[in-house]
Amino acid sequence: EVQLVESGGGLVQPGGSLRLSCAASGFTFSTYWMHWVRQAPGQGLVWVSRINSDGSSTSYADSVKGRFTISRDNAKNTLYLQMNSLGGEDTAVYYCARGGDIAFDYWGQGTLVTVSS
Amino acid sequence: QSALTQPASVSGSPGQSITISCTGTSSDVGGYNYVSWCQQHPGKAPRLMIHDVSNRPSGVSNRFSGSKSGNTASLTISGLQAEDEADYYCSSYTSSSTWVFGGGTKLTVL
Repeated sequence: EVQLVESGGGLVQPGGSLRLSCAASGFTFSTYWMHWVRQAPGQGLVWVSRINSDGSSTSYADSVKGRFTISRDNAKNTLYLQMNSLGGEDTAVYYCARGGDIAFDYWGQGTLVTVSS
Repeated sequence: QSALTQPASVSGSPGQSITISCTGTSSDVGGYNYVSWCQQHPGKAPRLMIHDVSNRPSGVSNRFSGSKSGNTASLTISGLQAEDEADYYCSSYTSSSTWVFGGGTKLTVL
């Protein structure tokens, strides 16, 4: 059974940093692209970033480019999102989702990031 | 990276069919057959219902179907059931090697 479990969310002050993790199981993690998608309270889904299977290629939404870094450790079956210079607009539930041939075919349950002083 | 355009809400009675549109540009929806649709119930994670315009993942009811014409993709749900009441989001790959979601459509089953 494919499972994606996010962690690392919490309350952070404006300008602060946070690293999210997504632990994957039930599939060969190293052969799939992965995505981060976020959802602000009461709002819609917004694509954030993706990474290819070996971590050599990444892409970002303009809203996070230069502040967020996606990475992965295939030996640990874990996806990461390093978030720096956080602002109130980054407050959201962050989901990891599996990609590859079929984008967004499995999703984690999400982790909430709240940016507030 | 403007969001794809979806109607804010649609509604239908049990047993009826509804269609949700998703309008983009030639740089996303119109340029690639990589349009997906996700369903999200309140407080839950999204679930993939359609990928690559019209393909259903295993386990998704055949009441759900997708299509595309030009820069507009559509999700049709036939034989509406109460459990179909949820938010629906389209997404597309873009010419910038990124992805973009629609603003979401709230489906109400009357």
